[in-house]
Amino acid sequence: AQSVAQPEDQVNVAEGNPLTVKCTYSVSGNPYLFWYVQYPNRGLQFLLKYITGDNLVKGSYGFEAEFNKSQTSFHLKKPSALVSDSALYFCAVRDLNTGGFKTIFGAGTRLFVKA
Amino acid sequence: EAEVAQSPRYKITEKSQAVAFWCDPISGHATLYWYRQILGQGPELLVQFQDESVVDDSQLPKDRFSAERLKGVDSTLKIQPAELGDSAMYLCASSSPRSGNTIYFGEGSWLTVV
Repeated sequence: AQSVAQPEDQVNVAEGNPLTVKCTYSVSGNPYLFWYVQYPNRGLQFLLKYITGDNLVKGSYGFEAEFNKSQTSFHLKKPSALVSDSALYFCAVRDLNTGGFKTIFGAGTRLFVKA
Repeated sequence: EAEVAQSPRYKITEKSQAVAFWCDPISGHATLYWYRQILGQGPELLVQFQDESVVDDSQLPKDRFSAERLKGVDSTLKIQPAELGDSAMYLCASSSPRSGNTIYFGEGSWLTVV
């Protein structure tokens, strides 16, 4: 069965510093991997995804993520954090070898960026 | 930019009453999802439609929850009777192979059961 883990409930970073939000996954086949961001009282907004190809994926608002097959990880990164990046971040995985229907979301990581 | 529309945004209902949520997916998206998100947790899939057919409702509490998508476009999620533990945000989402199967979410419907 597929699963996704976000090992940190919360990440704190100072504005201007680089940030990393961690995600690891488990699938039986090849994964689709996604990152979403959620602001208070709002729905989830798509940031970026990995399907195939280059392991470094660039997305919205300056975010990028690196797919590492050997470590089964898909960490979200940004070179310079902004206070406005403070939000809840969700990693998600879809297993392409199980019909591609079900997408599983992690429990979320709350990012606090301090001015 | 096309969006997933949901209503109502907020709903307060008394325990044992009925409540319904409506969703209109992005035009042309054949796959529609209903997720439940409890505060502080990730979204949990309740039901997934492909056109008008249910493809996954394994996590839907069928004794009180029902969902339909009669014409394969908009959808309704109903809870009857509501229980205190149903207080959560109900998210509708849609996807299409043409958009790389990325799931796009609506703004959600907050339910408080008192």
